[in-house]
Amino acid sequence: AQTVTQSQPEMSVQEAETVTLSCTYDTSESDYYLFWYKQPPSRQMILVIRQEAYKQQNATENRFSVNFQKAAKSFSLKISDSQLGDAAMYFCAGRDQTGANNLFFGTGTRLTVIP
Amino acid sequence: DAGVTQSPTHLIKTRGQQVTLRCSPKSGHDTVSWYQQALGQGPQFIFQYYEEEERQRGNFPDRFSGHQFPNYSSELNVNALLLGDSALYLCASSLDPGSYNEQFFGPGTRLTVL
Repeated sequence: AQTVTQSQPEMSVQEAETVTLSCTYDTSESDYYLFWYKQPPSRQMILVIRQEAYKQQNATENRFSVNFQKAAKSFSLKISDSQLGDAAMYFCAGRDQTGANNLFFGTGTRLTVIP
Repeated sequence: DAGVTQSPTHLIKTRGQQVTLRCSPKSGHDTVSWYQQALGQGPQFIFQYYEEEERQRGNFPDRFSGHQFPNYSSELNVNALLLGDSALYLCASSLDPGSYNEQFFGPGTRLTVL
């Protein structure tokens, strides 16, 4: 079974500063994908960044980057130069390669950006 | 190019009733997945449809059923509604469940059961 754990229900960051959201992922599979999704008040889930477990290099998308520590089962999201538009719920999710592309989500972290 | 669309936006039902939610996938996508997101929780996988068949199912009772049409659109049906079925229901579409492709989510249908 796959489990995704987010231990930070809420986080806040000053505009233009950097914030890191934490996530742990546990699976018996050796190959899997990990994701960070953003869900603004509009409710539409938007993919922020993804990481293939077999890749050693951490993924980066503009101001968003991940720190993937496979042995520690840790998958954190770093948001640099935070903007007001980054305020949202952030969900960590995983998908095993053997699955039918369904995602397993954590409980989310609500990010507040302070002007 | 329209993304994933869902209807209705909001829905209010009473216990014991039945409800049907609809989803149109992103153009070119052939796979539809449904998720239930209870208040304050992350989405939970209900089931996935591909080629008009249920490919995989999460831990949901048989009261939850679905259908996929030849045009790849999909319906989620819930029978004998319970108060605990109140949630945001998300539809996600992708291409070919056999390999990784990004899932694109719709805006969801907010179901309230009274």
